Amino acid sequence: GENVEQHPSTLSVQEGDSAVIKCTYSDSASNYFPWYKQELGKRPQLIIDIRSNVGEKKDQRIAVTLNKTAKHFSLHITETQPEDSAVYFCAASIGQGGKLIFGQGTELSVKP
Amino acid sequence: EAGVAQSPRYKIIEKRQSVAFWCNPISGHATLYWYQQILGQGPKLLIQFQNNGVVDDSQLPKDRFSAERLKGVDSTLKIQPAKLEDSAVYLCASSGRQIPSYEQYFGPGTRLTVT
Repeated sequence: GENVEQHPSTLSVQEGDSAVIKCTYSDSASNYFPWYKQELGKRPQLIIDIRSNVGEKKDQRIAVTLNKTAKHFSLHITETQPEDSAVYFCAASIGQGGKLIFGQGTELSVKP
Repeated sequence: EAGVAQSPRYKIIEKRQSVAFWCNPISGHATLYWYQQILGQGPKLLIQFQNNGVVDDSQLPKDRFSAERLKGVDSTLKIQPAKLEDSAVYLCASSGRQIPSYEQYFGPGTRLTVT
């Protein structure tokens, strides 16, 4: 079945540095790749997503890149701030309304 | 626009007891999902509804879990009898105003502790 691997499991950066989280998916039919931010005890929040017909998407300090050939996608956060500290999950799905297959999560810590 | 609502937010029960969770999706959203999130892991789909029909329940432990979405709006998820390994956060998500769409929006979840 579909599987999503996410690395690293923990990431610690200094405020102002960049952070990169990488995910690999197994099902080549996957065509939608969202990223969620989950603060402790809170709901997962959709922060950015990308569809398979696009190679890169940017929204202010966050960007996502997709390499369909290699079946991996990455989240890039620039100029990190302490409020970026949270657990980030990547996911993949097939088609509109398809179930999301989540990675294991990355705990990002931004030190002031 | 109101988000996905869930209740209760917390529940503590003993093993072998039963429990039910409620979800109210974003108004007009046709697709509703129940995910189970065990501590330290990503959410895992239990069941997906399109309006009031089941699309995917392949990961639902049907000997103890059941779910329904009457009238294609609210949904309930029930566990009977509960096991220790059912301790998790149960997240409801919804998407697609009238038709399926890509983005899924999550509710705050119900944290279940089975003792």
